[in-house]
Amino acid sequence: DSGVTQTPKHLITATGQRVTLRCSPRSGDLSVYWYQQSLDQGLQFLIQYYNGEERAKGNILERFSAQQFPDLHSELNLSSLELGDSALYFCASSVGSGGTYEQYFGPGTRLTVT
Amino acid sequence: AQSVTQLDSHVSVSEGTPVLLRCNYSSSYSPSLFWYVQHPNKGLQLLLKYTSAATLVKGINGFEAEFKKSETSFHLTKPSAHMSDAAEYFCVVSADSSASKIIFGSGTRLSIRP
Repeated sequence: DSGVTQTPKHLITATGQRVTLRCSPRSGDLSVYWYQQSLDQGLQFLIQYYNGEERAKGNILERFSAQQFPDLHSELNLSSLELGDSALYFCASSVGSGGTYEQYFGPGTRLTVT
Repeated sequence: AQSVTQLDSHVSVSEGTPVLLRCNYSSSYSPSLFWYVQHPNKGLQLLLKYTSAATLVKGINGFEAEFKKSETSFHLTKPSAHMSDAAEYFCVVSADSSASKIIFGSGTRLSIRP
């Protein structure tokens, strides 16, 4: 158990809908990262927050947004969903912000868009 | 620019024989390198990391990796495979400064034959 929690575990929704994925980092970690894992794209970095502020952006679509709250939990919002958004979404956390810190991954949320 | 190439998409070994998972990287910066493992339906778990200290890095579960700057490689090895090692393995390169420069390899699926 990494100490990172994600809810829900599974999510099934229709095209055009909006969903929110939630992540709680390990105790003491200030950084939260979001990743998308799909068969065709592999593991893609989406976005990072550090202590409530956006720190880095990866391959995140404009239809997706995220935020980190004062208690350090984070939410990833996916809107106008398309079939291609079906994937496993992982959250990870680390104590610091830079690339040298190891990340601890949650179990993931499997999103199915029908 | 950074990139990482995992040279084998699938490796199959017999239980008790050595494991070699190959990773080559490219980085304009002094990189940090990681190996993560993902068991089926699980999140990623850190095996080991290199951050410019000793070039031979020991990780969990008997795995180790050697950083070879001249060959731009960071291959993962284990002397004796165990059935529980069957999983997907990811090589990761990142620059020190920003998480947005974290790049995951495409993964190597390790199968263990009894």
